[in-house]
Amino acid sequence: QLVESGGGLVQPGGSLRLSCAASEFSFSSHWMSWVRQAPGKGLEWVANINQDGNGKYYVDSVKGRFTISRDSAKNSLYLQMNSLRAEDTAVYYCAKIAVGETIDYWGQGTLVTVSS
Amino acid sequence: DIQMTQSPSTLSASVGDRVTITCRASQSISRWLAWYQQKPGKAPKLLIYKASSLESGVPSRFSGSGSGTEFTLTISCLQPDDFATYYCQQYNSYSSLTFGGGTKVEIK
Repeated sequence: QLVESGGGLVQPGGSLRLSCAASEFSFSSHWMSWVRQAPGKGLEWVANINQDGNGKYYVDSVKGRFTISRDSAKNSLYLQMNSLRAEDTAVYYCAKIAVGETIDYWGQGTLVTVSS
Repeated sequence: DIQMTQSPSTLSASVGDRVTITCRASQSISRWLAWYQQKPGKAPKLLIYKASSLESGVPSRFSGSGSGTEFTLTISCLQPDDFATYYCQQYNSYSSLTFGGGTKVEIK
């Protein structure tokens, strides 16, 4: 199970930290992802992190602004979002990557709205 | 980066119809292709992985095929529960995942 939290309304240029609590699987064994979906739009991959947290990858539009991290002791995934823009407004999903495969399970999502 | 192009963007069909959705990759991704179903207000659900492997619990009317740059998702006999939006996704490398633009399957 994946449960996101931390979404909300933030002004342009502001910051927000999303959290994702994982349970019922071996969190430390899996790559993890953040994927977002702007209102009425399609899915957009945002970031991946490997099992030990040393491998982090981002879509070009968030590089230098967003940071993905994880805490295996707390079975938690995070997304620190800085310098937020209106175009970052979206539902953000935490997702689990199956070993050797792709995303096989998603959280319910948390809405981030960037607006003045 | 690898681009994924889905077609059509919208599809009108009736219960019982056979439906096919196409996904094209901008470069070869071997068979590293997944299909997801998403209903309004819900998270996506994995249907197919590795181009043609059916995820556990997914009805057998869903099937996938293809390799390289051309892939298809087929629903053999459309059911009322299948009206949704479908996305393809490439995972040739975990350093960059890409989704297709989506195909909305509507009631005709």
